[in-house]
Amino acid sequence: QSALTQPASVSGSPGQSITISCTGTSRDVGAYDHVSWYQQHPRKAPKLMIYDVSNRPSGISSRFSGSKSGYTASLTIAGLQAEDEADYYCFSYTTSTTYVFGTGTRVTVL
Amino acid sequence: QVQLVESGGGVVQPGRSLRLSCVASQFTFTHSPMHWVRQAPDKGLEWLTVISSDGTKQDYADSVEGRFTVSRDNSRNTLFLQMNSLRPEDTAVYYCAREGHYSASSWGFFDFWGQGTLVTVSS
Repeated sequence: QSALTQPASVSGSPGQSITISCTGTSRDVGAYDHVSWYQQHPRKAPKLMIYDVSNRPSGISSRFSGSKSGYTASLTIAGLQAEDEADYYCFSYTTSTTYVFGTGTRVTVL
Repeated sequence: QVQLVESGGGVVQPGRSLRLSCVASQFTFTHSPMHWVRQAPDKGLEWLTVISSDGTKQDYADSVEGRFTVSRDNSRNTLFLQMNSLRPEDTAVYYCAREGHYSASSWGFFDFWGQGTLVTVSS
């Protein structure tokens, strides 16, 4: 159950777009479309941003989008805003009927 | 609004046990698989365990299998995590989370989280 691999940090200027990758294996990201993304601000509980690879829950800005190709899922934030500065985690179901988080990415708005 | 409220955290010595609770409200608890997730200080999120909606099936991360046990009391809308043989590396904020299940093919994500309860394992 190794954690999915994410870049430690990604940064961008306000208004820019950034993409966070989440690389797994044939036993998790590559096996199912049960990939979700969470945003976590300091000292807060995580918040669901994307589920089932590319679906946005009600109330989540359309600036957030998700995709997947092979063993890598991606979260794109368009029109970066100051409030997007947070930690982001991907999450996937696995063939062992367990689940695994990504290593986490710190997004900084310059 | 869905509410999940964890309790039971605190300071415990290595080797001892602790039981966490998570009381759910404002949704049909018996319909939802439930999970526990933890986050060590300044570290990432770690999935720990899931229990099916009827409590008959559980799965665990390797890091806690054999030491932690998840259970639920659907009559009291409460989720539990029994933690035995605690180690310093179990120090973390522990979250309960509801698994979203929007359709037969849409599941395996967390649509609601509790606020977390801190467990500190230290002598």
